[in-house]
Amino acid sequence: AQSVTQLGSHVSVSEGALVLLRCNYSSSVPPYLFWYVQYPNQGLQLLLKYTSAATLVKGINGFEAEFKKSETSFHLTKPSAHMSDAAEYFCAVSEPNYGQNFVFGPGTRLSVLP
Amino acid sequence: NAGVTQTPKFQVLKTGQSMTLQCAQDMNHEYMSWYRQDPGMGLRLIHYSVGAGITDQGEVPNGYNVSRSTTEDFPLRLLSAAPSQTSVYFCASRSTVAQYFGPGTRLTVT
Repeated sequence: AQSVTQLGSHVSVSEGALVLLRCNYSSSVPPYLFWYVQYPNQGLQLLLKYTSAATLVKGINGFEAEFKKSETSFHLTKPSAHMSDAAEYFCAVSEPNYGQNFVFGPGTRLSVLP
Repeated sequence: NAGVTQTPKFQVLKTGQSMTLQCAQDMNHEYMSWYRQDPGMGLRLIHYSVGAGITDQGEVPNGYNVSRSTTEDFPLRLLSAAPSQTSVYFCASRSTVAQYFGPGTRLTVT
């Protein structure tokens, strides 16, 4: 069975500081991995995805994530936080078969301090 | 191209009432699903469908029914609402490599 853990339910950074949101997964097969962002009172928006091509994946809004098989990790980073990055971030894993479901982590709320 | 749409955006029900949450997508995706989102629990899968006429249960299906008569529509029915079903509900449709979400329905059961 697949699972996702996200270390830290709430992360605070100063504006301009590095953003690092952690995601670890378990999967019995090489996975597809995703990061979604949810702004207040909105749906989930796809930030980026790993689907077995390049291990360093670039997404929207300056975010990127690196797939590390040896560490079963897919951490999300951004070099310089902006106030507009304040949101909840969800990591998700799926098997690379169309009929397979996504499994989501519990989410990490990012606060950006002025 | 509207993507995934959901109606209503907000709903208040009394215990025991029934209702249907509507979901539609215009991306011709075969795979659609319903999630509920509760604080600290992420998203939990209620039901999903891999094509018209085919549905299956997810992690938390009790108290909910679905049907899939067309590729575009995937309604979620609450048969007899309970306070435990107070939540935000998201519909999603999936391509081969990503899942796309609707804006959500905030449901309160009193």
